[in-house]
Amino acid sequence: AQSVTQPDIHITVSEGASLELRCNYSYGATPYLFWYVQSPGQGLQLLLKYFSGDTLVQGIKGFEAEFKRSQSSFNLRKPSVHWSDAAEYFCAVGDSGGSNYKLTFGKGTLLTVNP
Amino acid sequence: EAGVTQSPTHLIKTRGQQATLRCSPISGHTSVYWYQQALGLGLQFLLWYDEGEERNRGNFPPRFSGRQFPNYSSELNVNALELEDSALYLCASSLFSGGEQYFGPGTRLTVT
Repeated sequence: AQSVTQPDIHITVSEGASLELRCNYSYGATPYLFWYVQSPGQGLQLLLKYFSGDTLVQGIKGFEAEFKRSQSSFNLRKPSVHWSDAAEYFCAVGDSGGSNYKLTFGKGTLLTVNP
Repeated sequence: EAGVTQSPTHLIKTRGQQATLRCSPISGHTSVYWYQQALGLGLQFLLWYDEGEERNRGNFPPRFSGRQFPNYSSELNVNALELEDSALYLCASSLFSGGEQYFGPGTRLTVT
């Protein structure tokens, strides 16, 4: 069964600092990978996705993520964090194989941004 | 382009009652997914509908059910409500099965 681990429950960074949120997945084949962001009381917004091809993917709001098959990782990065980036971030894996498609989410990483 | 919409925003029910949640996908999207986000349990997959058919179901009891209408909108029904059903219920849609999913704002269900 597919699974996602986000090792960091809560991260605090200063505004303007760089950010890396970790994500490790377990899946038998090449997965579909996603990062979503959720502000308090809101739905999820898709930041970026990986289906195949270039392992470095660019997303919205200046975020990027790198797929590393050897490490089963899909870490999210941003070179300079803004106060408005404070939110909860979820990594998800989708079943690329087939007919029982669903997303499996990690537990999320809460990002706090200090002024 | 309008996003995924859900109604109602909030729903308060009593134990044992039934709840009905509604979702309208992005125009042109045929797949609709339901997820439950409960405190301490994270985001869990509930149901997937595509072209009017239930395609996949998560580890939830049969009192969680739903349907998809010919216009691709969807309804989630929860029967015999229990306190632990209190959660944010999120609907998502995708252009095709397996495509990236776009989420609505959710329905907050509170069971008292």
